Amino acid sequence: DTAVSQTPKYLVTQMGNDKSIKCEQNLGHDTMYWYKQDSKKFLKIMFSYNNKELIINETVPNRFSPKSPDKAHLNLHINSLELGDSAVYFCASSQTSGTNEQFFGPGTRLTVL
Amino acid sequence: EDQVTQSPEALRLQEGESSSLNCSYTVSGLRGLFWYRQDPGKGPEFLFTLYSAGEEKEKERLKATLTKKESFLHITAPNPEDSATYLCAVQGWTGNQFYFGTGTSLTVIP
Repeated sequence: DTAVSQTPKYLVTQMGNDKSIKCEQNLGHDTMYWYKQDSKKFLKIMFSYNNKELIINETVPNRFSPKSPDKAHLNLHINSLELGDSAVYFCASSQTSGTNEQFFGPGTRLTVL
Repeated sequence: EDQVTQSPEALRLQEGESSSLNCSYTVSGLRGLFWYRQDPGKGPEFLFTLYSAGEEKEKERLKATLTKKESFLHITAPNPEDSATYLCAVQGWTGNQFYFGTGTSLTVIP
């Protein structure tokens, strides 16, 4: 059983295009996150959603827009893609009560040409 | 400003050679310190959560410890399967922000 899943795993696109990445979790968690991991492997949080409400937006360009249709899904839409957007994007989820550790998806490698 | 620094950046060990990885942190009220393992091409895999100074957790060849300023991940008699990047993250009480370090890339040579 996959706890946190993302699609697609790889995404290659041209500059200026618009693309989406989907994430789903079956852990029953109430909070979901998007992270960006750059070429130096540094993980930086982009967004956090708790019960479908945005609670973090860490200086991310407004070309990035998260959408959460329900507690189990958090999608990331990116407009007007730029070369610098090339990275691996990870979705994660956690439960705010309890031990609070985050569980990560397998990642989406985005390459902008 | 909350931040996390991990050292060394890279570590090469002979199989069976024990060592420790360091995670130094500054955070305005520690809610939790987390250790993750990341294999190439995969998402981080949760290992441990530590909440207060003096706490220790163990799992197989790994043992994590916590002080007020840093955490150590001790690896006892590693084997090549332990090769991975080990990430440390902290969460403060001010919000849901997780701050990750840049990781330690561990290579265990047979």
